[in-house]
Amino acid sequence: GAVVSQHPSWVICKSGTSVKIECRSLDFQATTMFWYRQFPKQSLMLMATSNEGSKATYEQGVEKDKFLINHASLTLSTLTVTSAHPEDSSFYICSARSRTDNEQFFGPGTRLTVL
Amino acid sequence: GQNIDQPTEMTATEGAIVQINCTYQTSGFNGLFWYQQHAGEAPTFLSYNVLDGLEEKGRFSSFLSRSKGYSYLLLKELQMKDSASYLCAGFNQAGTALIFGKGTTLSVSS
Repeated sequence: GAVVSQHPSWVICKSGTSVKIECRSLDFQATTMFWYRQFPKQSLMLMATSNEGSKATYEQGVEKDKFLINHASLTLSTLTVTSAHPEDSSFYICSARSRTDNEQFFGPGTRLTVL
Repeated sequence: GQNIDQPTEMTATEGAIVQINCTYQTSGFNGLFWYQQHAGEAPTFLSYNVLDGLEEKGRFSSFLSRSKGYSYLLLKELQMKDSASYLCAGFNQAGTALIFGKGTTLSVSS
């Protein structure tokens, strides 16, 4: 089956620093990738949709200057949390969809803790 | 807008059958998904319904009624490992990304 990886799986950083999270589709070309955020005991909230080679589409309420998304190739998307603050601490999950499939394949998630 | 509702919590015992309901209101419809999520892990795909009716896959079945905006996930012969959050999901208004309900936390006891 389709495999999506994320790196790192967890990260702890100081307030004010930036953190980059990578999402890779390992065995298929992901024309579209998605970034979700999940706070404890809550559901996944869609942050943004990115298509390879174009700018990401952000959901309402998500600051595009704070959460920088780059989808530079058909197998890699990155999310950079700039000037992270404790309230950004969350579980960040990416997913990917191929050109031919409606199903979204999820990465294992990245646990971000901002001190 | 899009809205997906499901119960917050359910409890059941090993060996039992449980039905988790989901109602949705969407401006368009491209199918309904069910995912399972264990704490601290990413969601894993369970089912995708685009036509009315029941789809069975082992111990798990999923039902869809498009006219009623209603779906359910049926879990049979419950096992302890089925304790997890079950997420109902449909497409956003643009039809490009999945949006999720709040999830139903199922606790299976012996």
